[in-house]
Amino acid sequence: EAQVTQNPRYLITVTGKKLTVTCSQNMNHEYMSWYRQDPGLGLRQIYYSMNVEVTDKGDVPEGYKVSRKEKRNFPLILESPSPNQTSLYFCASSPGGQSGYTFGSGTRLTVV
Amino acid sequence: GDSVTQMEGPVTLSEEAFLTINCTYTATGYPSLFWYVQYPGEGLQLLLKATKADDKGSNKGFEATYRKETTSFHLEKGSVQVSDSAVYFCALSDRGGSTLGRLYFGRGTQLTVWP
Repeated sequence: EAQVTQNPRYLITVTGKKLTVTCSQNMNHEYMSWYRQDPGLGLRQIYYSMNVEVTDKGDVPEGYKVSRKEKRNFPLILESPSPNQTSLYFCASSPGGQSGYTFGSGTRLTVV
Repeated sequence: GDSVTQMEGPVTLSEEAFLTINCTYTATGYPSLFWYVQYPGEGLQLLLKATKADDKGSNKGFEATYRKETTSFHLEKGSVQVSDSAVYFCALSDRGGSTLGRLYFGRGTQLTVWP
């Protein structure tokens, strides 16, 4: 089944403790992206990648890192999480801009 | 820069009522336009899309027409069902330049349909 898989689905962590949210797609898509969803703000793009080793900042990149060493994987790294990063995170992939993105099921992160 | 503006909710309708959710966009290039739907507790699903002016996207009884002259992509459904209750997002993807591959979302419109 074609899908985008994120892990974990739920995560509670403490301020400053590094964490990684994994994202993997099995559709051989070139484009991958991370979004955060917050009430009243909709979805905001954190980082996106147009291919292996090609990444760029979205609208809210501060406090996040990404890497794209393989086509299928696009992990999101929070080096020192803070409470304002408590949010619902989505990973997505696309073969190209006109095709739209396929989204993962989301990761609900709480930083205390 | 590119952006999407959609009507704020929440929208509350009775079953079988007509639905319109307005969406307008600003883009520097020639964007593709999308509607996504998010059911409670789930991720976003692509509902429909249109890639050029005057195209009509349709799916599950929903329709939207790409209107370049009014820079709009309004979502419509003739008769909503309780199962349509969800959050609907309008989005655009510019096809060229430095923003290739980026997807810009509106803030979402919560739809609740009562039986």
